[in-house]
Amino acid sequence: DTAVSQTPKYLVTQMGNDKSIKCEQNLGHDTMYWYKQDSKKFLKIMFSYNNKELIINETVPNRFSPKSPDKAHLNLHINSLELGDSAVYFCASSQRGGLGYGYTFGSGTRLTVV
Amino acid sequence: AQTVTQSQPEMSVQEAETVTLSCTYDTSESDYYLFWYKQPPSRQMILVIRQEAYKQQNATENRFSVNFQKAAKSFSLKISDSQLGDAAMYFCAYAPGTDKLIFGTGTRLQVFP
Repeated sequence: DTAVSQTPKYLVTQMGNDKSIKCEQNLGHDTMYWYKQDSKKFLKIMFSYNNKELIINETVPNRFSPKSPDKAHLNLHINSLELGDSAVYFCASSQRGGLGYGYTFGSGTRLTVV
Repeated sequence: AQTVTQSQPEMSVQEAETVTLSCTYDTSESDYYLFWYKQPPSRQMILVIRQEAYKQQNATENRFSVNFQKAAKSFSLKISDSQLGDAAMYFCAYAPGTDKLIFGTGTRLQVFP
């Protein structure tokens, strides 16, 4: 069983469209994250949720809206996609208080905006 | 600001040899965690090794070991007996005990037969 699963793995879409990326974890972790990896491979946190509550929102445009229906799911919705949104988006999870054990990452979603 | 610096954008090593990847970080915290993650071409992020700042002993996982120098804020990764499968991007990451990992810019490791 995949511990952190993201769908889709690849997403190609036109500028101006709205798209969603889904993430689910079956590890029983209470904290989930979205990270963005840009074309230079730099990874930066976008959001974190703990038990469905937003904990971190790192100066991400309002076009990005995370939604956590329960602690096992964290979806990312992006409105009015722009060329600069092209990147790999990673979902991850951890147990709060257990961050010393690191994150478990999903396999990433490569978003290409054309 | 809490930052992580990897000064080597690329490194190369011969198979079976040893290579060391450098990482420094900036923090005013006394308790935190440090990690090395590997990202092969499959883009999966794989945890290689972790270090707790309050532990003096350097972490070791099979062929992977770290040299943790807390006063110097340095956390280098040594890969012994390098294998072709070690070729990947390696990211150093720092967790200040809050809910996020702060990553360095990565080092691309090539392994030659």
